Amino acid sequence: EVHLVESGGGLVPPGGSLRLSCVASEFTFRSYTMYWVRQAPGKGLVWVSRITGDGSTTTYADSVKGRFSISRDNAKNTLYLQMNSLRAEDTAVYYCARAPLGSPFDSWGQGTLVTVSS
Amino acid sequence: DIVMTQSPDSLAVSLGERATINCKSSQSVFHSSNDKNNLAWLQQKPGQPPKVLIYWASTRESGVPDRFSGSGSGTDFTLTISSLQAEDAAVYYCHQYYTAPRTFGQGTKVEIK
Repeated sequence: EVHLVESGGGLVPPGGSLRLSCVASEFTFRSYTMYWVRQAPGKGLVWVSRITGDGSTTTYADSVKGRFSISRDNAKNTLYLQMNSLRAEDTAVYYCARAPLGSPFDSWGQGTLVTVSS
Repeated sequence: DIVMTQSPDSLAVSLGERATINCKSSQSVFHSSNDKNNLAWLQQKPGQPPKVLIYWASTRESGVPDRFSGSGSGTDFTLTISSLQAEDAAVYYCHQYYTAPRTFGQGTKVEIK
């Protein structure tokens, strides 16, 4: 069974930084494009960023472009999200998710909560 | 970006009754290359990540009860729960994977009346 475990969330003041991690197991990690999706408290799901299996291509939502950076270490089966210049509106549960090519998200982690507040 | 709009935002249904959720996409999500609609329905319960119920608009994920069904094509889709059970209380999202960025509807909260 596919396993995705996020970590790194927490309370950070506005303007601060955090680095999220997602450790993957039970599948060939390097073969999949991976995503970060966030969900603000009581709100819906919003795609944040994605990275191709070899790490060569990254894409960002306009709301985080220039502030967030996605990366991966295929040797460690780990996905990252470096979040800088955090704002109150970045407060959310951040999920890492797998989506096979041309298929919906089929596996999600349990999420990690990021709270941006002074 | 493709905008996904669900209706209603919430509904309360009695146990055993039918629940119907609609989803409209701002452009067609039908892929002529595989003759399929790249539309999924997700279920999310409190404190849990989303879970796929339906993909290709009408194909049930393995293990999903047959009271859940999906229909529609192009830009208009429907999720139907034929006989609502207590465990079906959740938020349901439509999700298009036709093109990047993948987008979601705003969610429909289903409650037990």
